Amino acid sequence: AQSVAQPEDQVNVAEGNPLTVKCTYSVSGNPYLFWYVQYPNRGLQFLLKYITGDNLVKGSYGFEAEFNKSQTSFHLKKPSALVSDSALYFCAVSALSGYALNFGKGTSLLVTP
Amino acid sequence: GAVVSQHPSRVICKSGTSVKIECRSLDFQATTMFWYRQFPKKSLMLMATSNEGSKATYEQGVEKDKFLINHASLTLSTLTVTSAHPEDSSFYICSARDLYRASDTQYFGPGTRLTVL
Repeated sequence: AQSVAQPEDQVNVAEGNPLTVKCTYSVSGNPYLFWYVQYPNRGLQFLLKYITGDNLVKGSYGFEAEFNKSQTSFHLKKPSALVSDSALYFCAVSALSGYALNFGKGTSLLVTP
Repeated sequence: GAVVSQHPSRVICKSGTSVKIECRSLDFQATTMFWYRQFPKKSLMLMATSNEGSKATYEQGVEKDKFLINHASLTLSTLTVTSAHPEDSSFYICSARDLYRASDTQYFGPGTRLTVL
């Protein structure tokens, strides 16, 4: 079975500072890893994914994530946070391509002006 | 591209009634759609996997007779909450896989807020 852990309920960062949202995973075999963002009362928007290849994945809105196999982590990062980045972020994993996703509990990101 | 819609976006119903939620892939074909349920400030929990032309696969603990899923075409899946009760109140989100491109990525609908009085 696969699972994802997001250890932080909330991350606070000042606008313009770098941000990191943490995610660790557990899966047998090669993981398919995803980051999604959710704004209030909205569905999830796809940010980026890691399937194979380069460990540093670049996604939408300036976000990137680094896949670290030895630490089983897939942390989401952005060099300079914007107030509009404030939202709920979900890390998700699938053991097989195209199969249902197992989501982390979500991390609320608050970017203050 | 890869737009998924849900209808309605919000529904309030009386206890004991049934509610149908539609999930449509607008600009792509989806052989597989997924239905998730999200409680307030909680993560998404997979309810079932909907496959076009066949029976849905339900997750453990999800009553298939209560949450009826139909996936009659490559662009439409429906979730019917039968005999709804207040504990069924939740945010229901569907997702779909693009059959022909990037099939490992799921695209999510905007969600349906169900309130059962």
